[in-house]
Amino acid sequence: GGIITQTPKFLIGQEGQKLTLKCQQNFNHDTMYWYRQDSGKGLRLIYYSITENDLQKGDLSEGYDASREKKSSFSLTVTSAQKNEMAVFLCASSIGLGGQEQYFGPGTRLTVL
Amino acid sequence: GQQVKQSSPSLTVQEGGILILNCDYENDMFDYFAWYKKYPDNSPTLLISVRSNVDKREDGRFTVFLNKSGKHFSLHITASQPEDTAVYLCAAGPMATGGNNKLTFGQGTVLSVIP
Repeated sequence: GGIITQTPKFLIGQEGQKLTLKCQQNFNHDTMYWYRQDSGKGLRLIYYSITENDLQKGDLSEGYDASREKKSSFSLTVTSAQKNEMAVFLCASSIGLGGQEQYFGPGTRLTVL
Repeated sequence: GQQVKQSSPSLTVQEGGILILNCDYENDMFDYFAWYKKYPDNSPTLLISVRSNVDKREDGRFTVFLNKSGKHFSLHITASQPEDTAVYLCAAGPMATGGNNKLTFGQGTVLSVIP
């Protein structure tokens, strides 16, 4: 077994602020993902990484940066927070791409004032 | 455009009933199909998955039916229980692990099972 942790659990920012979300996994998985969850829109992929130092854009990468510092960690940066933005950001990991089960973290809830 | 679509944003069923959740996809190269379940304030977890070499997979009260020619798959839940109340996310993608083969998720269906 393993676990994925995300920090912080709640993040409150100001408009225009740069905000960083962190994710750690101890599954020893190669692939990690960042998703954004909005009500009625399911999970939308922001960035993913297939190995340490790799970075791939998802469908929603504009306005975000990401960094896979080491195999166990994957961070996401909101480059300029948008006023009244509210969303949950989910980190996930899997052995590889394709038909591999994804394991999700508990999420970071972002509120921008 | 939305490559994976769930037709019903929400469904309500009486306890003990049978329910069907539907998912349509556009890419005929997809050969892996999954349903994830998400309780409120919890993370999604894999419920059941199927590869395209079969058209049905059953696991207890949960069955996935795949209609590849129609680019459609569904989740059937029998003898529904209040603890089935959750958001159900379908996902589809290529089975192979290489290249750019990531999963695409649907918008989710909020299921409520009334005691």
